[in-house]
Amino acid sequence: DAKTTQPPSMDCAEGRAANLPCNHSTISGNEYVYWYRQIHSQGPQYIIHGLKNNETNEMASLIITEDRKSSTLILPHATLRDTAVYYCIVRVAGGATNKLIFGTGTLLAVQP
Amino acid sequence: ETGVTQTPRHLVMGMTNKKSLKCEQHLGHNAMYWYKQSAKKPLELMFVYSLEERVENNSVPSRFSPECPNSSHLFLHLHTLQPEDSALYLCASSQGVTSGGNPYFGPGTRLTVL
Repeated sequence: DAKTTQPPSMDCAEGRAANLPCNHSTISGNEYVYWYRQIHSQGPQYIIHGLKNNETNEMASLIITEDRKSSTLILPHATLRDTAVYYCIVRVAGGATNKLIFGTGTLLAVQP
Repeated sequence: ETGVTQTPRHLVMGMTNKKSLKCEQHLGHNAMYWYKQSAKKPLELMFVYSLEERVENNSVPSRFSPECPNSSHLFLHLHTLQPEDSALYLCASSQGVTSGGNPYFGPGTRLTVL
């Protein structure tokens, strides 16, 4: 079962920052937080991941609370093309495979 | 070709047909996955292959038969499917032995069973 909780949907105005929350209160010390997104009927796309520290890349920033029980994905300047379902996933580091267990995600609708 | 490719992109088949879905990864990864995504449902992990060996089968009916002949190719053989098997079938690959092995997904095959 997915170990994360996300709001089912959110709206964001184009050009504004989109802040997508995720609760993972049962996360273990060796589990990473991953974010993927899925634009309608396409394959999921990797966005970012982190363990303890905040992370930033060209797509987004990931803010993880100090107790690691929750995190926020930030899209700094949302565009219409960012409309998608965003999945927050916790995954054990290492092992023979890097399988991901998806939940229901958050449908982000960017409004013009 | 780059990344993960899947063919065909769309497939319509009858319940008595036999067909195969193909996935190819051009990333040098050593783990591959099949996921199923039914309408308005989360992605469901079906099979996991690591170094060409099946390491996970998540209670998938035997009418779905995976095959991984080498680390770059993954097939899903289909026979006597049911209409409820209509879904988007997604293939993914990753470098399985490191924590930084983010799975990359293909575009999926949209399957319709009549």
